[in-house]
Amino acid sequence: NAGVTQTPKFQVLKTGQSMTLQCAQDMNHEYMSWYRQDPGMGLRLIHYSVGAGITDQGEVPNGYNVSRSTTEDFPLRLLSAAPSQTSVYFCASSYLLAGGQETQYFGPGTRLLVL
Amino acid sequence: DAKTTQPPSMDCAEGRAANLPCNHSTISGNEYVYWYRQIHSQGPQYIIHGLKNNETNEMASLIITEDRKSSTLILPHATLRDTAVYYCIVRLVLSGTASKLTFGTGTRLQVTL
Repeated sequence: NAGVTQTPKFQVLKTGQSMTLQCAQDMNHEYMSWYRQDPGMGLRLIHYSVGAGITDQGEVPNGYNVSRSTTEDFPLRLLSAAPSQTSVYFCASSYLLAGGQETQYFGPGTRLLVL
Repeated sequence: DAKTTQPPSMDCAEGRAANLPCNHSTISGNEYVYWYRQIHSQGPQYIIHGLKNNETNEMASLIITEDRKSSTLILPHATLRDTAVYYCIVRLVLSGTASKLTFGTGTRLQVTL
């Protein structure tokens, strides 16, 4: 298994440009999430999905859109990039074990710089 | 989800045990304690989790106090590759709910020769 993959690894955008960060997992996990991590801080949840066709907002959703048309893919769209969106973006997927125990698997991250 | 408190940084000599504490005094009875680590800007990596009992796996041991208000992650023989930021996370896991981990700033563990 490739696990959780993210593309691109690095991206530079100009203010106002749009782009899509790709995330894919081959573990057949129901749950997928997007986080951002700013320097010196922990991860903050942007959007998440509990299954194909179902998404919801996390802690910092403004400026981002998501969709989940398949179990495998969970792209994150920046509608009009702003310098405040300069960050490292992590995608994660997970499944539930019996008894409600859960483990998240994270991708390697996409480093985004908005000028 | 309950809030956690961790020391910002710790040092450990290579080969010694690293004991990383976490306070979660507001934890409720059905919330789990999870530990993740992040090595140099890579994606976070799951280490271990527990509810009430102490747990051990190939990476680490988790000791949870009887009142569940605190826990300790133990890396029995730390190596330089264990240098990372360690996150203690407490959350309720319910079937049908999404993975909404709340990360604090964690403990930066520096393993030295």
